[in-house]
Amino acid sequence: AQSVAQPEDQVNVAEGNPLTVKCTYSVSGNPYLFWYVQYPNRGLQFLLKYITGDNLVKGSYGFEAEFNKSQTSFHLKKPSALVSDSALYFCAVSPGGTTSGTYKYIFGTGTRLKVLA
Amino acid sequence: DAGVIQSPRHEVTEMGQEVTLRCKPISGHNSLFWYRQTMMRGLELLIYFNNNVPIDDSGMPEDRFSAKMPNASFSTLKIQPSEPRDSAVYFCASTLGGGYGYTFGSGTRLTVV
Repeated sequence: AQSVAQPEDQVNVAEGNPLTVKCTYSVSGNPYLFWYVQYPNRGLQFLLKYITGDNLVKGSYGFEAEFNKSQTSFHLKKPSALVSDSALYFCAVSPGGTTSGTYKYIFGTGTRLKVLA
Repeated sequence: DAGVIQSPRHEVTEMGQEVTLRCKPISGHNSLFWYRQTMMRGLELLIYFNNNVPIDDSGMPEDRFSAKMPNASFSTLKIQPSEPRDSAVYFCASTLGGGYGYTFGSGTRLTVV
């Protein structure tokens, strides 16, 4: 069965320190990979995506993610965390990876990031 | 672009009443998704449409739930009759397709008392 795993329910990091939020996936083919962020009482917002090319992709708010095909991972990173980064982060995978048609994304269960001042 | 628009933002209703949630996707997006989010179950896909046609409704929890998309710019999710366990935040999302990413609405917080 196709799946996305976010192994940590919560990640705590001190402000100014680097952060990593982990995501691994199990899907067939060459999937498209996404990260979304959800602030309190808001909808999910797109952060970044990997389609093809460079394994390191950069997104909004200084976030980046590294695609590792051999480890089937797509970890979210930021060199220096801010208190305002505290939110719920979701990894998502579009199996099959085509640019047209309809695809039901597989979402992870979410990781709550807490950045401590 | 105003993004995906959901209404109402908040809904409080009594058990047994009918509830209708509304969604206007981004113009030109051909796929629309309804999700439910709760603390216990996380984010659940209820149903999705492609070109106004329901493709997969396997996530709809019961026959009390129904969804329609009469045209490309409007969709509804109806719960009849509502129950307290339906209390959740319901999100609508739309997309051009697999590689473009979803755009989510701000959600409707439903409370059934």
